Amino acid sequence: KQEVTQIPAALSVPEGENLVLNCSFTDSAIYNLQWFRQDPGKGLTSLLLIQSSQREQTSGRLNASLDKSSGRSTLYIAASQPGDSATYLCALMWSSNYQLIWGAGTKLIIKP
Amino acid sequence: EAQVTQNPRYLITVTGKKLTVTCSQNMNHEYMSWYRQDPGLGLRQIYYSMNVEVTDKGDVPEGYKVSRKEKRNFPLILESPSPNQTSLYFCASSIYRAGTEAFFGQGTRLTVV
Repeated sequence: KQEVTQIPAALSVPEGENLVLNCSFTDSAIYNLQWFRQDPGKGLTSLLLIQSSQREQTSGRLNASLDKSSGRSTLYIAASQPGDSATYLCALMWSSNYQLIWGAGTKLIIKP
Repeated sequence: EAQVTQNPRYLITVTGKKLTVTCSQNMNHEYMSWYRQDPGLGLRQIYYSMNVEVTDKGDVPEGYKVSRKEKRNFPLILESPSPNQTSLYFCASSIYRAGTEAFFGQGTRLTVV
């Protein structure tokens, strides 16, 4: 059974710091992995999609990496800003049934 | 603007009163799905649809129905809502099921009393 874990559940850092959010999974047979952002009262916004054959994807100040052998993905946020405050979720598409399996999320607070 | 639209955004209802949450996408996506999000449990898939007239159960389908008569619409139906269906619901769509970016609606916060 595939399980996705995000640690920590919450993180608070001062503005300007670089930070890393973690996502781990138990079965390396994944099709792809996506990082999403969720703002209170709003839907989920896709940030980055990494296919299983890729090692990383970048978008602006965000960089996501994927290491299937160790069952880990990280989301790196450079020069954090208060506007980055949100809950970040990772979801992977499991190859066995093409179903999205979700982590519970990391709630990020960037203090001005 | 490409988007997934859910209605209503907020709903309070009583046990047993049938309700429908609508979902519409304007991107001509084949794949649509419904999720519920509960604290500490993450998102769990309720139903999904690979294309028109093709629907299938997700992880937590009990108490829910869906239909896909048109490509753009994928309503979620609760025939007899119960308090344990109080949750935040999301509709999502993507071009295909696998390998493509998912787009989400704004969410519907449902309270069943």
